[in-house]
Amino acid sequence: GENVEQHPSTLSVQEGDSAVIKCTYSDSASNYFPWYKQELGKRPQLIIDIRSNVGEKKDQRIAVTLNKTAKHFSLHITETQPEDSAVYFCAAISPSYGKLTFGQGTILTVHP
Amino acid sequence: GAGVSQSPRYKVAKRGQDVALRCDPISGHVSLFWYQQALGQGPEFLTYFQNEAQLDKSGLPSDRFFAERPEGSVSTLKIQRTQQEDSAVYLCASSLVVGFGNQPQHFGDGTRLSIL
Repeated sequence: GENVEQHPSTLSVQEGDSAVIKCTYSDSASNYFPWYKQELGKRPQLIIDIRSNVGEKKDQRIAVTLNKTAKHFSLHITETQPEDSAVYFCAAISPSYGKLTFGQGTILTVHP
Repeated sequence: GAGVSQSPRYKVAKRGQDVALRCDPISGHVSLFWYQQALGQGPEFLTYFQNEAQLDKSGLPSDRFFAERPEGSVSTLKIQRTQQEDSAVYLCASSLVVGFGNQPQHFGDGTRLSIL
């Protein structure tokens, strides 16, 4: 089945800096890659996603890049703010499975 | 309602008791997923429904776990003879369709299950 690896497990930045989280996946058939933000005790919230026919997608301060050949994708957050502090999960969907496989999560802390 | 609704939010049960967790997906969403999230981990897939059909239950950890969605809307996850290792947050997600051109999955707040 699909396997998703996520790095780093923790990331600490100063307010205003950029943050980058990287994920790799194993199933070359995977075609959809969402990113979720989860605050303590809250639901995972979809913040951005990318499909396999696109190399990059941007939404305000958040961008995601996908390299299908290398089977990796990354989340970029610019001009970080303290409210960006949360756990971020990458995930992949393989059409043959139709389910999300999540990475292990990255605890992002943005210091004021 | 606008989002996925789960109940109860918190459930405490004694080891050996049966529990039932409810998920009310977004109206019109065909696909419904259950995930289990242990503390400090990412959610892990349990089972998946397309309308009332349970198409994948490969993630259910044992035969003590059972899920149903009899009318293709509300779903119930039942755990029989609960064990301490069942303690986790159980998340439900729904999406419009499944297949090529996958749609986003939207999560509920989850049920935090604690087995004493």
